Amino acid sequence: EDKVVQSPLSLVVHEGDTVTLNCSYEVTNFRSLLWYKQEKKAPTFLFMLTSSGIEKKSGRLSSILDKKELFSILNITATQTGDSAVYLCAVGINDMRFGAGTRLTVKP
Amino acid sequence: KAGVTQTPRYLIKTRGQQVTLSCSPISGHRSVSWYQQTPGQGLQFLFEYFSETQRNKGNFPGRFSGRQFSNSRSEMNVSTLELGDSALYLCASSVRGDYGYTFGSGTRLTVV
Repeated sequence: EDKVVQSPLSLVVHEGDTVTLNCSYEVTNFRSLLWYKQEKKAPTFLFMLTSSGIEKKSGRLSSILDKKELFSILNITATQTGDSAVYLCAVGINDMRFGAGTRLTVKP
Repeated sequence: KAGVTQTPRYLIKTRGQQVTLSCSPISGHRSVSWYQQTPGQGLQFLFEYFSETQRNKGNFPGRFSGRQFSNSRSEMNVSTLELGDSALYLCASSVRGDYGYTFGSGTRLTVV
């Protein structure tokens, strides 16, 4: 059975801190790993990773995939209160299996 | 460009009833996926449709079904509702299903 495990489950930091969110997976047929941000209802797409070692970057957010060790990390630098959300990791593409998410709280 | 539209936003039903949820994808998107989100189980994949055909299916009972129309709009039906079906149902669309999906705001279903 496919498994996606995220850690930590929750995290509280202060504005300006840098955070690293982790996602490990076990799947029978890996195609891609995706990161989403969920603030209220609709998860918002952040990154899709298919190749090991290639960093994807968008502003203060970046992510990288290690297909040998079966994990990915999502980094957020210089955090802001607007980064407070649940960050979801998923494997697959059109049939995504999601992890439980990491709830990030950024305090002023 | 309009996003993914789900209707209704909220729904209250009684055990044993059936319900139909609707999803209008972004114009030009042909792949539509459905997910159930609950506090206990998180986001779980229900099924995916592409060009009116169910292409993938998750591990849900047969009471959960769906369809997609020629204009890519999709509906999801749940029959014989149970209390455990109370959840946020999210629909997501993608052009071909080979890149990141855009989610709608969901339909909050409460079964009483």
